[in-house]
Amino acid sequence: AQSVAQPEDQVNVAEGNPLTVKCTYSVSGNPYLFWYVQYPNRGLQFLLKYITGDNLVKGSYGFEAEFNKSQTSFHLKKPSALVSDSALYFCAVRDIGRGSTLGRLYFGRGTQLTVWP
Amino acid sequence: DGGITQSPKYLFRKEGQNVTLSCEQNLNHDAMYWYRQDPGQGLRLIYYSQIVNDFQKGDIAEGYSVSREKKESFPLTVTSAQKNPTAFYLCASRSLAGPSTDTQYFGPGTRLTVL
Repeated sequence: AQSVAQPEDQVNVAEGNPLTVKCTYSVSGNPYLFWYVQYPNRGLQFLLKYITGDNLVKGSYGFEAEFNKSQTSFHLKKPSALVSDSALYFCAVRDIGRGSTLGRLYFGRGTQLTVWP
Repeated sequence: DGGITQSPKYLFRKEGQNVTLSCEQNLNHDAMYWYRQDPGQGLRLIYYSQIVNDFQKGDIAEGYSVSREKKESFPLTVTSAQKNPTAFYLCASRSLAGPSTDTQYFGPGTRLTVL
């Protein structure tokens, strides 16, 4: 079974400092991994994904994520945080099994990022 | 939030009533999904559909029903059998072909409150 863990409910960082939001996963095969961001009372916005290839994936708004197979991690990073980055961040892994479950995502519980000025 | 619309944005329901949440997409996506979001619990899958007139239960389907009569529409009915329906409901869709086939795109959500 697929699963995702986000070990931190909250991350606080000062504006201009680097930020990291952690994610670890468990899959039976090769993982398809995603990061989404959610602002209050809004839907989820896609940030980036890892399917194959380079372990460092670049996405929207200056975010990037590093895939580490040996540590089964997919941490989200940004070199310099902005106050506007404050939001709820979700990591997700895709079910790549055959049949009718193809394509469903398993989400972590989310990490609230707060960037203070 | 792209080409996925959900209505209404806010919905209030009395206990014992059924309510239907609308989800429409103009992205020509084949697959559509309904999730429920509760604080601190992430997103949980209610139902999903990969083709018209076919859908499958997710992890928390009890008390919910769906239909997929048209490719662009995937309405969710919250029935009176759902014991704790107050939550934020999110609809998503995904293409089954092309370069973005792996990515689900989300609507803006409907917040349902039971009075």
